[in-house]
Amino acid sequence: KAGVTQTPRYLIKTRGQQVTLSCSPISGHRSVSWYQQTPGQGLQFLFEYFSETQRNKGNFPGRFSGRQFSNSRSEMNVSTLELGDSALYLCASSFMEGGTGELFFGEGSRLTVL
Amino acid sequence: QKEVEQNSGPLSVPEGAIASLNCTYSDRGSQSFFWYRQYSGKSPELIMSIYSNGDKEDGRFTAQLNKASQYVSLLIRDSQPSDSATYLCAVSYDKVIFGPGTSLSVIP
Repeated sequence: KAGVTQTPRYLIKTRGQQVTLSCSPISGHRSVSWYQQTPGQGLQFLFEYFSETQRNKGNFPGRFSGRQFSNSRSEMNVSTLELGDSALYLCASSFMEGGTGELFFGEGSRLTVL
Repeated sequence: QKEVEQNSGPLSVPEGAIASLNCTYSDRGSQSFFWYRQYSGKSPELIMSIYSNGDKEDGRFTAQLNKASQYVSLLIRDSQPSDSATYLCAVSYDKVIFGPGTSLSVIP
């Protein structure tokens, strides 16, 4: 059974640019959650999608957005990048929504903003 | 703001000893509780989940939950160098919130 796949694994952007990250969940999982991980703040919840609907959102500015497709694949977008957006972005899939199920993480997309 | 706190590390234990990791949470409505392990440069992986008060054992790992005290713990018996990692406590009500993690080092 394939795990959670995130692309790209590494990317470098400059301030003001935008970025799109992709996540393919485990087959059969309909929930996809996104987290930002930094050394100072740890794992911070961005949002969760279930059956193409955003079910929950963390305390991040509107520059952070996401969506989920009918095949459960999800994308997140960060517009007008800032230096502080440099982080590891982790996607996690789950069979159940709302945090009731166990999360399975991808390897992450490491974003560096210059 | 819903918070998850963990005992500050790093925690160092000798090989073969018991490592004790603690976690407290602020939201009394939390329903599911998890421990994840994250090796350096890797993503978190689930090692234990617990949903009701009491103890849950899985091999060398025991998770303990006390909802009245809003407290979750993880005991690792017979600690091995391969257990050296950051341990993340996670709590969920409508979303999964992670604690800051405790770094564990098992000294051979």
